[in-house]
Amino acid sequence: DTGVSQDPRHKITKRGQNVTFRCDPISEHNRLYWYRQTLGQGPEFLTYFQNEAQLEKSRLLSDRFSAERPKGSFSTLEIQRTEQGDSAMYLCASSRLEAHYGYTFGSGTRLTVV
Amino acid sequence: AQTVTQSQPEMSVQEAETVTLSCTYDTSENNYYLFWYKQPPSRQMILVIRQEAYKQQNATENRFSVNFQKAAKSFSLKISDSQLGDTAMYFCAFMKHSSNTGKLIFGQGTTLQVKP
Repeated sequence: DTGVSQDPRHKITKRGQNVTFRCDPISEHNRLYWYRQTLGQGPEFLTYFQNEAQLEKSRLLSDRFSAERPKGSFSTLEIQRTEQGDSAMYLCASSRLEAHYGYTFGSGTRLTVV
Repeated sequence: AQTVTQSQPEMSVQEAETVTLSCTYDTSENNYYLFWYKQPPSRQMILVIRQEAYKQQNATENRFSVNFQKAAKSFSLKISDSQLGDTAMYFCAFMKHSSNTGKLIFGQGTTLQVKP
């Protein structure tokens, strides 16, 4: 169990550019989540995968956001045409099917849009 | 919709003393789960303790315990014998028992500073 890995740890991009983040969950975890956390706030749900199927997306996830989890393994979160309001920490977490036992979070990707 | 409120943005405590962090929530659900997560300055969030709403007994994990008051919709975290390593942001979170996704609703967080 090597934990949940996220890459990169930090990303600075110019407004209008596209960015992609990667998350590698714990291998035996079926569930994978993306959350967004702005400074001094609690994480907000973005999207959820069970294996390779994306089963829920938040209204926070505009058309510029897309997430995938091919073959139910790692996941990517892409933001197209980034805006300054996209600046945040993007957290990935995974859990067993019994999510009520809690998640394992990654260290997050800090995105700064300049 | 469920909401989680943490009314204490910042708190401090002397090392070895006890501190209580407050959390209230709003839901019409009868069965649910409540969690406290810790986010140290390195920013990887760690599960501290969890409570199942249908269990009356308050959960305890070593120096961490909760006071779960279902009728009052209150879920406070008590940290005993505070240590410098407890310095972190603490988040209260809610999950519906009936949730197919296991989605968590988080509060705004409380920053705890343990002073030597």
